[in-house]
Order: sequence, then C-alpha cells, then structure tokens
Amino acid sequence: ELKVEQNPLFLSMQEGKNYTIYCNYSTTSDRLYWYRQDPGKSLESLFVLLSNGAVKQEGRLMASLDTKARLSTLHITAAVHDLSATYFCAVDWGSTDKLIFGTGTRLQVFP
Amino acid sequence: SQTIHQWPATLVQPVGSPLSLECTVEGTSNPNLYWYRQAAGRGLQLLFYSVGIGQISSEVPQNLSASRPQDRQFILSSKKLLLSDSGFYLCAWPDRRGNTIYFGEGSWLTVV
Repeated sequence: ELKVEQNPLFLSMQEGKNYTIYCNYSTTSDRLYWYRQDPGKSLESLFVLLSNGAVKQEGRLMASLDTKARLSTLHITAAVHDLSATYFCAVDWGSTDKLIFGTGTRLQVFP
Repeated sequence: SQTIHQWPATLVQPVGSPLSLECTVEGTSNPNLYWYRQAAGRGLQLLFYSVGIGQISSEVPQNLSASRPQDRQFILSSKKLLLSDSGFYLCAWPDRRGNTIYFGEGSWLTVV
C-alpha cells in the first residue's frame, strides 16, 4: 500500500524567512505532484516532478524530487503573506493518474 | 485548454436523502476521470475512477456510487446519505500529455 507523509503538518513562518516542506512516500512512483489549496477552494497545480533529480521553480517556490530516497521537498524562499495556504504533495500510483495525497501542510506567513 | 465544471457548488442535504453531483469536462484531454473527497481539515481520498463510458472502479467501500453516462460526464450519487458523507467533492481530469492533473472547483456537501 502506498503511503504519503508530509511534514510539518503546520508551519507558521515570518515573512522573509526560508523553509522546506518534506514529502515522503513508501513505494516507487513515476510522478510526484505539488498542489496549493486556499481555504474553501479547490486545488491549484504547482509542480509535476517526473524523474529523479527533477527540480522546478516558480517564483518563491522550488520543488525537487529524489526517487531513490522517495522524497520530495518544497522549498519556500523569502516567504510572503500571499503564500499562506495548505500545500499537498501527491504521488501517482502505478502510472494510472490515481493520486495518493499527503496529509497537507498548512502554511501561515505573518509579518 | 481544458475546463472542468462541477455542480452544484454547495449542497445541504438531510440524512437519508439522495445525492447527485455532476462533473462535466470540456477540451482535449485523456479519457480518465476521477472523484475525490476531502473531509474537513484533511487530505484527499480517491473514491472512484473511470477510463471510459460505463466503466467505473471503486477505490473504497462506501455509501456512494458513480456513473459515466457520456464520455465527458461523470456523476457521483447516493441513494441515502449518511452524516459521514459530508465533505468537499472534487472531480479530477489528467492533462492529455500527462503533465498534470486538474481539479474542478468542487462541490461542498453538508449532510444534516
């Protein structure tokens, strides 16, 4: 059974600081996704990581994938309030586009 | 481009009443469609997926069912709702090239 774990579950950080969210998964997978969810809203796609060593960046967010360690990270650089949201990682199970989601990391950025 | 429509956006239903949530898609993409549920303050759980008309696979035993009457239509139903069916229901549709998986705007269901 594929399990996906995120940590931390909750992250409160000051504007301008850097931090990393971790996503561990239990079995081999071809793809790893990162999503953002604002309160009461649907999921917004941030990144899809397709291979070992893949790194993608968009603005203050950078995601990486280490398939050997079964680990993905979402790094936040110089956080701003607009980044406050819940972030989910999800792993594609068996190349079927069926996603197994992590528990989510609720990020709060304060002045 | 592709668009996912879900309705209704919000629904309050009494225990024991029926349910029908609809998802329709527009654009060019792959044929697979998915229903997920998010309980309050939690992650998403895959409920059903469909690879084509009339083809439904259930991921977890539950009080819900799904149907795919048309290629671009995916319906989630229940004959008798339970309190535990409350949640945020999301329809998902993969990009044709497999670059990402998009989610609809979702349907909020509260069972009272």
